[in-house]
Amino acid sequence: TQLLEQSPQFLSIQEGENLTVYCNSSSVFSSLQWYRQEPGEGPVLLVTVVTGGEVKKLKRLTFQFGDARKDSSLHITAAQPGDTGLYLCACVIYNQGGKLIFGQGTELSVKP
Amino acid sequence: KAGVTQTPRYLIKTRGQQVTLSCSPISGHRSVSWYQQTPGQGLQFLFEYFSETQRNKGNFPGRFSGRQFSNSRSEMNVSTLELGDSALYLCASSFPGTSTDTQYFGPGTRLTVL
Repeated sequence: TQLLEQSPQFLSIQEGENLTVYCNSSSVFSSLQWYRQEPGEGPVLLVTVVTGGEVKKLKRLTFQFGDARKDSSLHITAAQPGDTGLYLCACVIYNQGGKLIFGQGTELSVKP
Repeated sequence: KAGVTQTPRYLIKTRGQQVTLSCSPISGHRSVSWYQQTPGQGLQFLFEYFSETQRNKGNFPGRFSGRQFSNSRSEMNVSTLELGDSALYLCASSFPGTSTDTQYFGPGTRLTVL
């Protein structure tokens, strides 16, 4: 059983469309992170959400942390081909240092 | 500042062999973590090193091991390779090493086991 469930797993849309990716869990987290990974590269941190109900914006990307701090969403407005990639949510498990636990990821393809 | 570098970028091995992968963290970063990424299992935590000590370990068999040197560079070793070990191995570094709030990933080493 995955600690973090992401949906959808795959998404193929046309340029200009909007989309939302979800990251859900039955556990409560102190924070959640979102990464984007492009082919041939490692994941790059986009944002960290910390407070329940928090909304953060990064240009056309809007990140929300659920009120109960168990889930998060990523909304992209007017998607562009440059948004294509693997989007991953992750939580930090602290135990004398920490480790990242990732969701399975959402593979996004934006066609021109 | 140079980013996290990993060598080699690509590697092909056969079953039963062993392999060593190298990671150089961002200058000043003292924590290095290793992850395995496969299409079926996604990104999974292998282990974390801080000041030459393994601080955290994931659920992988003992064939997977690592170490960190005094300059924070790290290596991971996989012995008696199996077909299922084919994966992208990612290394990430963080500063000052007391948390993993911001991890910087390298481009990975693509290991293929034949």
